[in-house]
Amino acid sequence: SQQGEEDPQALSIQEGENATMNCSYKTSINNLQWYRQNSGRGLVHLILIRSNEREKHSGRLRVTLDTSKKSSSLLITASRAADTASYFCATARTGNQFYFGTGTSLTVIP
Amino acid sequence: EPEVTQTPSHQVTQMGQEVILRCVPISNHLYFYWYRQILGQKVEFLVSFYNNEISEKSEIFDDQFSVERPDGSNFTLKIRSTKLEDSAMYFCASGGQGHYGYTFGSGTRLTVV
Repeated sequence: SQQGEEDPQALSIQEGENATMNCSYKTSINNLQWYRQNSGRGLVHLILIRSNEREKHSGRLRVTLDTSKKSSSLLITASRAADTASYFCATARTGNQFYFGTGTSLTVIP
Repeated sequence: EPEVTQTPSHQVTQMGQEVILRCVPISNHLYFYWYRQILGQKVEFLVSFYNNEISEKSEIFDDQFSVERPDGSNFTLKIRSTKLEDSAMYFCASGGQGHYGYTFGSGTRLTVV
């Protein structure tokens, strides 16, 4: 199976701290994406990193990709209460079919 | 910012009934998808649609499911005879040419009773 698996499953931090979530996958990929989902809501695309990229930044988000270890990390710096959500990685090998992990539930305590 | 719109937001149906979930993708997108998420579980791929035909589908997408793009703007998912286990959040997504990120709709929560 190609599915990404995130860890930790749940993370609770204080506002202002950094949050790091990891994603591991099993097969070679074309690209990897991170999504955010607020409880009971849709998926919001955060960032895409291609297999030939190692690091990408978007605002307070930093994503790394290590294809040799088949892993990625999402760092949210200076977290805010509004960052409370579930975060998913999704991997694509070919075509446009993405495989989602089970997600990391992040709680930022004000 | 362009959005993918899904209707209804919540649908309750009797087991065995047919349901149609509707989506309006972003207008210049070419690739269309349905995913589902059973409560507490992973988001699962159902089907992708390009150039007016199914390009990929998962084993979940059996003969009870069908998709259609009837009028060039709507993209629908039909479940012919719903089962209790079809209860889930159904997400529509669309993507543009050469763009590998999707835009997801906010989902339709389907409850089969």
